[in-house]
Amino acid sequence: QQQVKQSPQSLIVQKGGIPIINCAYENTAFDYFPWYQQFPGKGPALLIAIRPDVSEKKEGRFTISFNKSAKQFSLHIMDSQPGDSATYFCAARAGSARQLTFGSGTQLTVLP
Amino acid sequence: DGGITQSPKYLFRKEGQNVTLSCEQNLNHDAMYWYRQDPGQGLRLIYYSQIVNDFQKGDIAEGYSVSREKKESFPLTVTSAQKNPTAFYLCASSTPGRSYGYTFGSGTRLTVV
Repeated sequence: QQQVKQSPQSLIVQKGGIPIINCAYENTAFDYFPWYQQFPGKGPALLIAIRPDVSEKKEGRFTISFNKSAKQFSLHIMDSQPGDSATYFCAARAGSARQLTFGSGTQLTVLP
Repeated sequence: DGGITQSPKYLFRKEGQNVTLSCEQNLNHDAMYWYRQDPGQGLRLIYYSQIVNDFQKGDIAEGYSVSREKKESFPLTVTSAQKNPTAFYLCASSTPGRSYGYTFGSGTRLTVV
């Protein structure tokens, strides 16, 4: 019940495409859903986060869509660029805990 | 600037040797975490600490040990009991709050030689 399932494992798109990464969870106590971006040899960095009281959040070219009834959330990258090539992790946290539960990661490659 | 500093960036360990990875933060965060990342894999929790002088095992604690004597520091020792220690190790910290996630360090790559 603590798992966050992330798909796909890898994704290749052309420059300007809109990659979509999906995550699903079971624990209804989760109330904070961040996404992290990790470049090779670096630590993950917080990209964008959402709480379940909103269905969508945009920050620049990055958008989180949240479907509370389906217990799913996804990351969309508009007008993707080669510099967006990285590994993306979704995560979730229950309000009573400080510990994040991470998805397994998606390796995104944006071709020039 | 506040942040998390991990050192060294690269570390080589001989068979049967213990090594210690350093993690220091100046963010005044209460909680600290250690994760292991293998190539193409996700993040696996080794140990975490929510307050000084207290820590809990994560999912893959066998062969590792930690201490939390200071709020700022959370060193990880990879012992000789860890049979497959070659990996990328990430330290993170967080503070309680509704919208606070983790801040990660830049990682230490450990290789057995």
